[in-house]
Amino acid sequence: QVTLKESGPGILQPSQTLSLTCTFSGFSLSTYGMGVGWIRQPSGKGLEWLANIWWDDDKYYNPSLKNRLTISKDTSNNQAFLKITNVDTADTATYYCARITTNFDYWGQGVMVTVSS
Amino acid sequence: EIVLTQSPTTMTASPGEKVTITCRASSSVSYMHWYQQKPGASPKPWIYETSKLASGVPDRFSGSGSGTSYSLTINNMEAEDAATYYCQQWNYPYTFGAGTKLELK
Repeated sequence: QVTLKESGPGILQPSQTLSLTCTFSGFSLSTYGMGVGWIRQPSGKGLEWLANIWWDDDKYYNPSLKNRLTISKDTSNNQAFLKITNVDTADTATYYCARITTNFDYWGQGVMVTVSS
Repeated sequence: EIVLTQSPTTMTASPGEKVTITCRASSSVSYMHWYQQKPGASPKPWIYETSKLASGVPDRFSGSGSGTSYSLTINNMEAEDAATYYCQQWNYPYTFGAGTKLELK
């Protein structure tokens, strides 16, 4: 059974760095062809892809945020991470991690992040 | 970046009605994925690689298209189909359509 669960700080202040963790089970990020992606959704709005990391440590970023994003993984502990630097109120959203095979085929429940002073 | 334009933005359908949601890409893509999202829930994979139904998706759903034009069709709308549907293309950078909110009439 594949599950993913996101965790994060809940609330942070503008200019801080947002650190998100995706803890998953039921698959391994060392398996050929496997990946994990991060997607966010502001309340009442649409979905925005942020970044992917693959089994071979290949990484892809949304160029609109690329300079602020860092994705990484800990294969041994079945975790993936996303850091977003210099956050502002526009980064307030629910953040999802999802497993990637042919598509985003399993999603976590999401974690709400609020950026507020 | 490939922009995906979904239409309509919102729509209502009666039980038993046929529903078609379209997704147009600003450049040609190899295939399209679709996700269903209900309020307060995570998106669910619904149709992948243009026409393949995800696990558990009723066969009244279908997907089709090629190049820059794709669609999701529901034959015989049911109450449980009321949701927001998003298309997504698989070229980097990945992009999603803005969503189509489907309501039950």
